[in-house]
Parts: sequence; structure tokens; C-alpha cells
Amino acid sequence: DVKVTQSSRYLVKRTGEKVFLECVQDMDHENMFWYRQDPGLGLRLIYFSYDVKMKEKGDIPEGYSVSREKKERFSLILESASTNQTSMYLCASSPGQGTQPQHFGDGTRLSIL
Amino acid sequence: GQQVMQIPQYQHVQEGEDFTTYCNSSTTLSNIQWYKQRPGGHPVFLIQLVKSGEVKKQKRLTFQFGEAKKNSSLHITATQTTDVGTYFCAGRNYGGSQGNLIFGKGTKLSVKP
Repeated sequence: DVKVTQSSRYLVKRTGEKVFLECVQDMDHENMFWYRQDPGLGLRLIYFSYDVKMKEKGDIPEGYSVSREKKERFSLILESASTNQTSMYLCASSPGQGTQPQHFGDGTRLSIL
Repeated sequence: GQQVMQIPQYQHVQEGEDFTTYCNSSTTLSNIQWYKQRPGGHPVFLIQLVKSGEVKKQKRLTFQFGEAKKNSSLHITATQTTDVGTYFCAGRNYGGSQGNLIFGKGTKLSVKP
């Protein structure tokens, strides 16, 4: 069974801090994704990666960056956290073929104070 | 940019009543996927539709993909309290970035026993 693990379930940080959210998948998937989920706005794609060291901007990349140094790990970085980045962050992975479903982690609820 | 519109945003039903959620895309989709997110949980893949006019069933759930591959629906017959959650459709464009899905904002279903 596919396992996507996010490093923290809940996280509280302060404005201006650099924040790292980690995601690891154990199924050798090529594609990995970071979404944020806010009430009434659904899932919005921040960044995705289809290979090691490759990344592409999603719909709302501003204020975020990502790192994929190893195939199984995809990190989301908030360069200087702001209160409007308080949200639920979901990581997902999928195999390389375009028709495969995405498998999600349990999410990280991030609060920026 | 590309959008997948999903309605209604909320639906409250009495247990035993039917429920339907609809998705519409402004462009033709190569395929569409449906996910369910239980309260406090993460999205879980339900099904994928690929062919024009395709209909698939999973017990009390019926999924349809429109003839023009621009719309889709999920119908639940005789809802149960276990159906509670948010249902998302997610479409993929022809020639879109590998593995990338465009999510609707979801329909949140509540079921009154």
C-alpha cells in the first residue's frame, strides 16, 4: 500500500520564520505535489515535481519554494512565513504515467502567529 | 487559467435521500478522477473516467463522464452516514503537465440520521 508521510501533523511558527514541511513517499513515484487546502477554496496546487531536482510552479507559488534532492522526498519551504500562509498543507505523489491517481499524506496544519 | 467548476458547494440530506455533485470544465479533459475526503482526513481516490460517455458504478455510487468530456457527475443513491465528507473531482487536460490535476473546490456532504 502506498504510504505518503508528512513530517508534522500540526505546526506553529512565527511570522518571518523560515519553515520547512517535509514529505516522503515509499512507492518510488516520479511525481510529487504540494497543495494547500482552505475552506471554500478546495485544493490549490503550490508546486509539483516530476523528477529529482525538477520542479514546476503550480497555481499559487508566491512565497514558497521546494526542494527535491531525492526521489522519495519533496520539501516545501516558506521562505519568510506570513499569517496568510496559515493553512492545511497536503503532499501527494503519483506514478509517472499521466492517468494514475494521486496518493495523499495526512496533511500538516500550519499556524503562523 | 484552466478551471474545473464543482457544484453545489454544500449539500445537506436526510439519510436515505439521494445526492449528486456536478463538475464542469471550460476545456475538454483527457480524464477525470473523483476523490473523497472524510472529516479530518485526506483525499482518497475513488475512481477514474477516461472515455466519452463513460459510466461506472461502485455499489451505491454512480460516476458519469459527459459525451464532450467537459463534465462529470457523482450520484449517491440512498445516502448513509458513512457517506459524509467532501467529494472532489479532478480533471486532467490533454497535453497538460505530467501527472497534474485540476481540482474542483469540492462538495461537502452532510447526512442527517
